[in-house]
Amino acid sequence: AQSVTQLDSHVSVSEGTPVLLRCNYSSSYSPSLFWYVQHPNKGLQLLLKYTSAATLVKGINGFEAEFKKSETSFHLTKPSAHMSDAAEYFCAVSDHSSASKIIFGSGTRLSIRP
Amino acid sequence: EPEVTQTPSHQVTQMGQEVILRCVPISNHLYFYWYRQILGQKVEFLVSFYNNEISEKSEIFDDQFSVERPDGSNFTLKIRSTKLEDSAMYFCASSVRPTPNTEAFFGQGTRLTVV
Repeated sequence: AQSVTQLDSHVSVSEGTPVLLRCNYSSSYSPSLFWYVQHPNKGLQLLLKYTSAATLVKGINGFEAEFKKSETSFHLTKPSAHMSDAAEYFCAVSDHSSASKIIFGSGTRLSIRP
Repeated sequence: EPEVTQTPSHQVTQMGQEVILRCVPISNHLYFYWYRQILGQKVEFLVSFYNNEISEKSEIFDDQFSVERPDGSNFTLKIRSTKLEDSAMYFCASSVRPTPNTEAFFGQGTRLTVV
């Protein structure tokens, strides 16, 4: 069975400092992994995805994530936080045990201090 | 840029009433999904739809729920008799191929409030 654990429900960083949002996954098959962002009162926007190609994935807005199979992790990072990064971030997994569904983590709220 | 469109953005309904949430997926996509997010909780899978039939559904998707693609462009979610606990944000999504192989594009959501 697939599952995702986001280790922090809330992360607060100062503007200009690095961001680290942690995600661990469980999957019986080779997974595809995703990070989505949700700004207040908005839908889910894909930041980046891993689908068994390069383990370091670059996404939009300067975010990137590294797939580490040995650690079953897919942490999201950004070198320098911007005020506009304040949002809810969801890690998600999908694999071939199910042809269609994505399993989401519980989300991490990112706050940026001026 | 093509996008998934959902209407209405906010729906208020009385308990026991039927509601239909509407979605227009991206035009060349073949796989369609509904997810929901109860306030403060995680996004949960409800149902996937391909080739005019349900591919997979979760235990949340009971007999009160149904989906339909009535005219080749719209994709609807019907809740037959709403309950207070159906209050949530409902997201429609679509993809070209099944989601392990490609990304799903999500709409902006419909906030359903059952009173």
